[in-house]
Amino acid sequence: AQSVTQLDSQVPVFEEAPVELRCNYSSSVSVYLFWYVQYPNQGLQLLLKYLSGSTLVKGINGFEAEFNKSQTSFHLRKPSVHISDTAEYFCAVSDRRDFQKLVFGTGTRLLVSP
Amino acid sequence: GAGVSQSPSNKVTEKGKDVELRCDPISGHTALYWYRQSLGQGLEFLIYFQGNSAPDKSGLPSDRFSAERTGGSVSTLTIQRTQQEDSAVYLCASSLRTVEGGELFFGEGSRLTVL
Repeated sequence: AQSVTQLDSQVPVFEEAPVELRCNYSSSVSVYLFWYVQYPNQGLQLLLKYLSGSTLVKGINGFEAEFNKSQTSFHLRKPSVHISDTAEYFCAVSDRRDFQKLVFGTGTRLLVSP
Repeated sequence: GAGVSQSPSNKVTEKGKDVELRCDPISGHTALYWYRQSLGQGLEFLIYFQGNSAPDKSGLPSDRFSAERTGGSVSTLTIQRTQQEDSAVYLCASSLRTVEGGELFFGEGSRLTVL
């Protein structure tokens, strides 16, 4: 069964600084990868996804992620964060053979301060 | 409706009581998912529906948990004889259909506290 590891439970960063949120998944032949974001008092929403093709995926709000098959990673990056990016970020993976079951990580809380 | 609606938003109950959590998906979405989010844990998959049928019930933690969906729309998650370890936020999500890589749209969740 798939599993997802988000090692950082919380990442504090200053406004306009770059940020990287780490995500590693258990090895599989082929997977779909996602990042979801949960703003305070809101439901989760899709930030970006990797299905196939280019390993660099761009999402909403200036975020991007890179799929690295050899390292089984899908780290999320943003070159310059804003206060409004403060939220909880969840990495998720599904096995292509069982794509209905989306497995989530434990989440990383991004705290952006002025 | 405009989004996935869940009720109640908060539920406090006593150990041993039964609870029902309701999910109203986005109109026209045929796939519906239930997840559980416990403190310090990720989102735990519980069950998904395609239409009214549930092809995969493997995530339900015990036989005290059950879920149904009627009319291809509203779903109810029932927890019988609640235990303290059932305390969590129960999230519902829907998608247009169970397509590969399809986006899930989440509700804001039902927070269950078992005393």
